[in-house]
Formats: sequence, C-alpha cells, structure tokens
Amino acid sequence: AQSVAQPEDQVNVAEGNPLTVKCTYSVSGNPYLFWYVQYPNRGLQFLLKYITGDNLVKGSYGFEAEFNKSQTSFHLKKPSALVSDSALYFCAVRDYGQNFVFGPGTRLSVLP
Amino acid sequence: EAQVTQNPRYLITVTGKKLTVTCSQNMNHEYMSWYRQDPGLGLRQIYYSMNVEVTDKGDVPEGYKVSRKEKRNFPLILESPSPNQTSLYFCASSLSTSGGEETQYFGPGTRLLVL
Repeated sequence: AQSVAQPEDQVNVAEGNPLTVKCTYSVSGNPYLFWYVQYPNRGLQFLLKYITGDNLVKGSYGFEAEFNKSQTSFHLKKPSALVSDSALYFCAVRDYGQNFVFGPGTRLSVLP
Repeated sequence: EAQVTQNPRYLITVTGKKLTVTCSQNMNHEYMSWYRQDPGLGLRQIYYSMNVEVTDKGDVPEGYKVSRKEKRNFPLILESPSPNQTSLYFCASSLSTSGGEETQYFGPGTRLLVL
C-alpha cells in the first residue's frame, strides 16, 4: 500500500533563511507527487507536483521540490522564507490507482 | 469564479441522526473526492468518483455513503453518525486523473461535531 511520511511535525525557520519541509513516500510503480498548503481556516491549496520529467519542480509562491527516486523523497524547499509562508504543508502521493494518500502534515513557522 | 463549495460549513448533530454534506464544483471536473482531516493523521480519503455514476472507496469509507448523479455534485451522506466521525471534511475535484490534470481543488471544509 502506498504511504507518505513527513518526519517533522514542526519546522521553525527565520525569515530570509532557506527552508526545507521533508517528505518520503512508498508506492508501487511510478509516483505522482504533490505538495499542498493549508492556511488557517482554509481548504488546501495546490503548490506543485511531480508527474514525470525534470526532478526539480518549481511551483507557486517561489517554492520548489526535488524528486529523488533512489531516496524515495520529495522535499519542499524555498530559498528565502517569508513570515506569510507560515502554514500547514501536506505531501501527497498517487500511484496508478485513483486514490490519493496524504502525509500527516508539517507545520511551518517562519519567525520574523 | 471557479470553485468547490461545501455546505454546511459547520454542523453540530447527535448520534444517529442522518445528515448530508453537499459538495458542488463549477469547473466541469470529472474526478471528485471526499477527505476527512484529523490532527496528526493528515487527510484520509473517504470516497472518490471518477465520473457520473462511478464511485469507489478510499481508505476510510466505513460509515459513509456517496452518490454521483450529476457531474457537478458529490454529496457525502452519514446515515447514522457517531462521535468518531467528528472531524473536518473536505471535498475536492480535479479535471481528470491522468495527463497531468490531477491537481485537486479543495472546498473550504465542513467542520462536523457529533455528540
């Protein structure tokens, strides 16, 4: 069965510093990988996805993620964090089936 | 405006009293899905639908029903709610599930409390 792990419940980073939110996955076959962000009292918003092609994927709001097949990872990164990036981040995976599996979420706090 | 809407946004009910949470999308999406969000567990998929009259179970379908009679609507039905169904529920839709069109758009959520 497919699964997603986000090993950190909470990530704290100072404004202006680079940030990384980690995600590892387990899936049979080639994965479809996604990152979503959830702001307080809001639904989830799509950030970026990896389907095929370049391992480095660029998405919304300056975020990017690197697909690493050998390490089965899809870490989310941003070169310079903003206070407004503080939110709950979810990694998700879908294989050739039609259901999606989300990770437990990582709360990012960017400190001014 | 392209969107996924859910109603109600907040609901308090009692054990055993049937309820329906509606979901509607105006983007002509084929794929629709229901999730529940619980602290520390992330989002877990309840049911999904590939198209009209096609539905399938996700990871946590017990105690829920869905129907897809029209492309735009995908209601979630709790025939006999129990306290362990207290949660935050999200509906989502995507254009399809292939060809790079798998991005899901989420509704604002429905917070359900079952007493």
